[in-house]
Amino acid sequence: QQPVQSPQAVILREGEDAVINCSSSKALYSVHWYRQKHGEAPVFLMILLKGGEQKGHDKISASFNEKKQQSSLYLTASQLSYSGTYFCGTVDTGRRALTFGSGTRLQVQP
Amino acid sequence: NAGVMQNPRHLVRRRGQEARLRCSPVKGHSHVYWYRQLPEEGLKFMVYLQKENIIDESGMPKERFSAEFPKEGPSILRIQQVVRGDSAAYFCASSPLGDHEQYFGPGTRLTVT
Repeated sequence: QQPVQSPQAVILREGEDAVINCSSSKALYSVHWYRQKHGEAPVFLMILLKGGEQKGHDKISASFNEKKQQSSLYLTASQLSYSGTYFCGTVDTGRRALTFGSGTRLQVQP
Repeated sequence: NAGVMQNPRHLVRRRGQEARLRCSPVKGHSHVYWYRQLPEEGLKFMVYLQKENIIDESGMPKERFSAEFPKEGPSILRIQQVVRGDSAAYFCASSPLGDHEQYFGPGTRLTVT
């Protein structure tokens, strides 16, 4: 069962912030975040392991609430280059395969 | 360092033909994953392999699809007797260890006519 992402789409102006959520009905071992631009391969952003950690680099950060089986991706002071579709991928405890959400389409406008 | 390589990048096959998709992982990576992506949709897991072993093939259709990752050479995803519904982008990813970040190749776009 794939994780649920919200919102499905968001439009921002440059400099605005956004939050993308990912939730699962299963106990999770890790959450992975990727960004994919149209016609290109997904690009790895970050991985969060169970333990409720938070990570970030530059203006993109993420949190993982193991108890709620939820993760959130935070984009601050968005740039035009942030445009693309963001996917969360979850790894269930006991498995190793990534199950991807349906994606959140983010468009940053000047 | 070279990233994940996939070839061909585009493949056109007629219904009933075979499609062979190749994936060379990042040097030193021994874990390979295959995903399928339909237009405007997310990535669907197909199979997870280590050298000479299939670890998880729960996402593979039961018929016509097979995958291998031999001791030497690239990983191969093979689709026999292709149908129009097989048209999609097929991505390969590799990681140095299981449960680590996966690095994706550029994908092979299969079109079945």
